[in-house]
Amino acid sequence: AQSVTQLDSHVSVSEGTPVLLRCNYSSSYSPSLFWYVQHPNKGLQLLLKYTSAATLVKGINGFEAEFKKSETSFHLTKPSAHMSDAAEYFCVVSVVEGVYNQGGKLIFGQGTELSVKP
Amino acid sequence: EPEVTQTPSHQVTQMGQEVILRCVPISNHLYFYWYRQILGQKVEFLVSFYNNEISEKSEIFDDQFSVERPDGSNFTLKIRSTKLEDSAMYFCASSDMSNQYFGPGTRLLVL
Repeated sequence: AQSVTQLDSHVSVSEGTPVLLRCNYSSSYSPSLFWYVQHPNKGLQLLLKYTSAATLVKGINGFEAEFKKSETSFHLTKPSAHMSDAAEYFCVVSVVEGVYNQGGKLIFGQGTELSVKP
Repeated sequence: EPEVTQTPSHQVTQMGQEVILRCVPISNHLYFYWYRQILGQKVEFLVSFYNNEISEKSEIFDDQFSVERPDGSNFTLKIRSTKLEDSAMYFCASSDMSNQYFGPGTRLLVL
């Protein structure tokens, strides 16, 4: 069965310093993996996704994630944090095998709250 | 840019009452979903809907829950007799077979 584990419930960084949010996955198939972000009182916004193409995936707002099969990890990084990055971040796996999420459900990690200090 | 919308943003109800949560998916999407997030817990899948029928449901989605696409644009979640433990943020999502796009959520509080 597919699952994701986010290793930190809360991460605090200073503005301008790198961000690392850690995620490990478990999947019987070649997984589709996603990072979503949720700002306060907003919906869940897709940051980036991995679907068995390039292992280094670039997303919006300068975020990127690297799929490492040997480590079953999909960590989210950003070289330089901005105050507007403060939000909750979810690592997500799709239950459906293959390139496209053909209607399958998403399984969410428990979330990592990112705080950015001035 | 098209987006998923949900109404109401907040709903307070008494235990045992029926509630209907409404969603307007992105217009050319074919797959629709409801998820919920109880305060302090993970976002959980409830149900997926395709071609006017449920394609998958979780064990949470028992007989008190139902979904409907009444008019070709709205997608609703009905909770027949609410319980205290139904208090949560409910998210609607729609999919173009590539990505799922989420609405802002409805915060339901059952008293």
